[in-house]
Amino acid sequence: DTGVSQDPRHKITKRGQNVTFRCDPISEHNRLYWYRQTLGQGPEFLTYFQNEAQLEKSRLLSDRFSAERPKGSFSTLEIQRTEQGDSAMYLCASSFPGQGYGYTFGSGTRLTVV
Amino acid sequence: AQSVTQPDIHITVSEGASLELRCNYSYGATPYLFWYVQSPGQGLQLLLKYFSGDTLVQGIKGFEAEFKRSQSSFNLRKPSVHWSDAAEYFCAVLGSSNTGKLIFGQGTTLQVKP
Repeated sequence: DTGVSQDPRHKITKRGQNVTFRCDPISEHNRLYWYRQTLGQGPEFLTYFQNEAQLEKSRLLSDRFSAERPKGSFSTLEIQRTEQGDSAMYLCASSFPGQGYGYTFGSGTRLTVV
Repeated sequence: AQSVTQPDIHITVSEGASLELRCNYSYGATPYLFWYVQSPGQGLQLLLKYFSGDTLVQGIKGFEAEFKRSQSSFNLRKPSVHWSDAAEYFCAVLGSSNTGKLIFGQGTTLQVKP
């Protein structure tokens, strides 16, 4: 069990640029989640995958955001035309059904839009 | 809609003193409740969870929490705080049993005085 890996750890980008983050879940976990955490706030749910299927998306996930999990393993989160309001920590988590909810989080990718 | 409130944004305790972090939830049925801890720049680690049964649940690192339905509370406690407990603590409720989505409170920052 190598844990949930996220890459990169930090990303600084100029407003208007596109960014992509990667999440590698624990290998036997078929459920994968993305959350966004802004300073001083708790994480907010963005989207959920079961295997390769994206089964729920939050209203927070605007048209500029897209997430994929092409083979049911790793996942990517892309933000197009970044805005300063996108600056946040993006957290990935994974679990398997028998885990009884409560999942394993990665260390996150901190995005700063300048 | 489900929600979680953590009334205390910041708490300071002396090392060795007891700790109680408050959490109130809003949920129609029996909630599934969680406490997570987040060290600076890190992801979230699950401390404990409550689904049913005994209302006093034990977690890792010497933490426990008590579910009180009459008060809609799930407060986290520790008898003797260590300097390494300084971190941010998040209470969460399961928002969807189908997806495992969690709804988090805004967090309580714990500072430990030597």
